[in-house]
Amino acid sequence: DSGVTQTPKHLITATGQRVTLRCSPRSGDLSVYWYQQSLDQGLQFLIQYYNGEERAKGNILERFSAQQFPDLHSELNLSSLELGDSALYFCASSPRVAGQETQYFGPGTRLLVL
Amino acid sequence: LAKTTQPISMDSYEGQEVNITCSHNNIATNDYITWYQQFPSQGPRFIIQGYKTKVTNEVASLFIPADRKSSTLSLPRVSLSDTAVYYCLVGDRGPASGGSYIPTFGRGTSLIVHP
Repeated sequence: DSGVTQTPKHLITATGQRVTLRCSPRSGDLSVYWYQQSLDQGLQFLIQYYNGEERAKGNILERFSAQQFPDLHSELNLSSLELGDSALYFCASSPRVAGQETQYFGPGTRLLVL
Repeated sequence: LAKTTQPISMDSYEGQEVNITCSHNNIATNDYITWYQQFPSQGPRFIIQGYKTKVTNEVASLFIPADRKSSTLSLPRVSLSDTAVYYCLVGDRGPASGGSYIPTFGRGTSLIVHP
């Protein structure tokens, strides 16, 4: 158990819908990272937040957005969902802002868009 | 762009040593190399991190040559439970990232350990 929690574990929805994925980092960790993992794209970095502020942005679509709240939990919002958005979404956390720190990954949310 | 290249898959047998090599030709001067292990339907788990030469912990060793353009993860005496996907992670600090560290995972190496 990494100490990172993600909810929900599974999510099934329809195209065009909007969903919110939630992540609670390890106690004391200030950075949260979001990743998308699909069979054809591997593990893709989406975005990083540090202490409430966006720190780094990867291949995140404009239909996707994220935020980190004062209590340091984070939410990833996916809108206008398409079939291709079906994937595993992982959240990871680390103590500070440096991207090279060890990242502790949550169990993931499996999203299926029908 | 910092990109990594790893073998797609490897096979081994219990008790053997396994070496997985990752190429990262464009690694930045200040960046470390980190390896993660992932089991099906679980999040990746940190194995080892290094900057140069050799690093060893209780589960693996990491060898990094002087030019740092590659690294080799060494798993001593693997068991069936080491069957997993192994990822090499470096950073991308290209212009598109504005200098921010962008974690860049390779496609991973699927290791299968046979009895």
